[in-house]
Amino acid sequence: EVQLVESGGGLVQPGGSLKLSCAASGFTFNTYGVNWVRQAPGKGLEWVSYISGDSTTIKYADSVKGRFTISRDNAKSSLYLHMNSLRAEDTAVYYCARETGFIDYWGQGTLVTVSS
Amino acid sequence: EIVLTQSPATLSLSPGERATLSCRASQSVSSYLVWFQQKPGQAPRLLIYDASNRATGIPARFSGSGSGTDFTLTISSLDPEDFAVYFCQQRYSWPYTFGQGTQLEIK
Repeated sequence: EVQLVESGGGLVQPGGSLKLSCAASGFTFNTYGVNWVRQAPGKGLEWVSYISGDSTTIKYADSVKGRFTISRDNAKSSLYLHMNSLRAEDTAVYYCARETGFIDYWGQGTLVTVSS
Repeated sequence: EIVLTQSPATLSLSPGERATLSCRASQSVSSYLVWFQQKPGQAPRLLIYDASNRATGIPARFSGSGSGTDFTLTISSLDPEDFAVYFCQQRYSWPYTFGQGTQLEIK
C-alpha cells in the first residue's frame, strides 16, 4: 500500500524557517517524482515544488522560488522541503504527492502556521 | 502560467441526479488534465487522469471528457458520498496549476 506521511509542521514567526519531511513506503521511492502542494485554510490547492526520482529535475512555483528548497534522500525514502523567510501567506497544509506522470497519491498533510 | 477556471463554483443537486462540472484552461493543455475529489479534512483523491482515464478503484459513474481548453467531469448518478469539492489540475506545463474548485453540495 502506498503511504506518504508528512511531518515537521508547526507555528513559526514571520521570517523564520522550517523543514518539512515526507516518509514514503509501499513503492520503489527512487523511481517516482514527488511534489509538494499546499492548501491555505479554506482555500484551493497550490502547487509548490517538484523533484524527479534522481533529483536531476527540480521545479518551484514563483511564489516560493529562492526561499524554499526541495530535496530527497532515496536511501531513506524521504522527501524534504526546507522553507526560509516564511511569510504569513505561506500558512497552509502542505501535502507531499507522488507523481507517475500525474499526481496519483497524496499524504495527509502537515499544517504550517506563520504568525507572530 | 496556465489558468484553470472551474464552473460552477457551487453545484446543488440531489442524490441520483447527474452532475456536470466544467474546467476551462487559458490555453491548450492537450489532454493533460486531471480531476481530484476532496472531502473535508482529507487529502485530495485522484479520480481522472489525462482527461478521460478513470483511476484505479474509481466507480464507473465518474467520467471525464474534453481536450485542448475545455474539459468536463460527469457523475452520472450522484451517490451521497460524492458530495465534496472537485479540483482540476493541468500537468501540461510548469508550473502545475489547479482550478479553484467546484463545491458539490446536497440540495
